Amino acid sequence: NAGVTQTPKFRVLKTGQSMTLLCAQDMNHEYMYWYRQDPGMGLRLIHYSVGEGTTAKGEVPDGYNVSRLKKQNFLLGLESAAPSQTSVYFCAAGLGLGTEAFFGQGTRLTVV
Amino acid sequence: DQQVKQNSPSLSVQEGRISILNCDYTNSMFDYFLWYKKYPAEGPTFLISISSIKDKNEDGRFTVFLNKSAKHLSLHIVPSQPGDSAVYFCAASAPGAGSYQLTFGKGTKLSVIP
Repeated sequence: NAGVTQTPKFRVLKTGQSMTLLCAQDMNHEYMYWYRQDPGMGLRLIHYSVGEGTTAKGEVPDGYNVSRLKKQNFLLGLESAAPSQTSVYFCAAGLGLGTEAFFGQGTRLTVV
Repeated sequence: DQQVKQNSPSLSVQEGRISILNCDYTNSMFDYFLWYKKYPAEGPTFLISISSIKDKNEDGRFTVFLNKSAKHLSLHIVPSQPGDSAVYFCAASAPGAGSYQLTFGKGTKLSVIP
C-alpha cells in the first residue's frame, strides 16, 4: 500500500547544481502532478501529466523540467538550482479531471 | 490573483465543539471542490469533496457546504477532536471545462484544544 513515493525526502543543493526528484506511484493512475509548498502560499502546481509520454505546464513552471517516460514515474528536474527554489515539493497521482489526488510525503529541498 | 481564498490563517476550537473552516473562490468555471488535511512533515490527504450540482456533502463528522451564488464553501467538523489539529486546504477545479488542475487556497491551521 505504498501509494505515492517520493525520493529523496531531504536534499541540500548549492546554487547552480542540478538534481532530479523522483515520484513513483503504484495505483495505476493516469494523472500525475508536481506541486511546491511555500510558507503562506499554499500549494502551487509546477507541471502535470495526463498520461505516459505527456507533460504540461502548471502555474509556476519556470526553472523546472519534467518527464513521464513510464506511467508509474514522474520526474521533476532542476537544471540550475536557485535559492528561490527552496521549498517543499509534493508529487501527486490521481484519476484526473480535477478530482481527488493522492499525495506523496514530500521532498524538502534547500538551495544555498 | 488568488482564485481560491482561505482568509483565516488559523482557528482554535475547544474539543467537542464545531469547527467551521471557510473558503471563497473567484473563478466561476470551478465546479468541483475538495478539502485536504495536512499534518506536519506529511503530504496532504484527501478529506471530502463536493460537486457544484450539490450544496451539501456529508461524511461522518465532516460536512462540506457549497453556496454557488456566493462562491463560498465551508467545512464543518462536528464534534472536533484533538486529532483534527492540522492545516486544512481548500481546492477547486474545473473538470467540466477540461481543466486537470487543482487550485489550492493557502490553508487554515486548525488547533483543537483538549
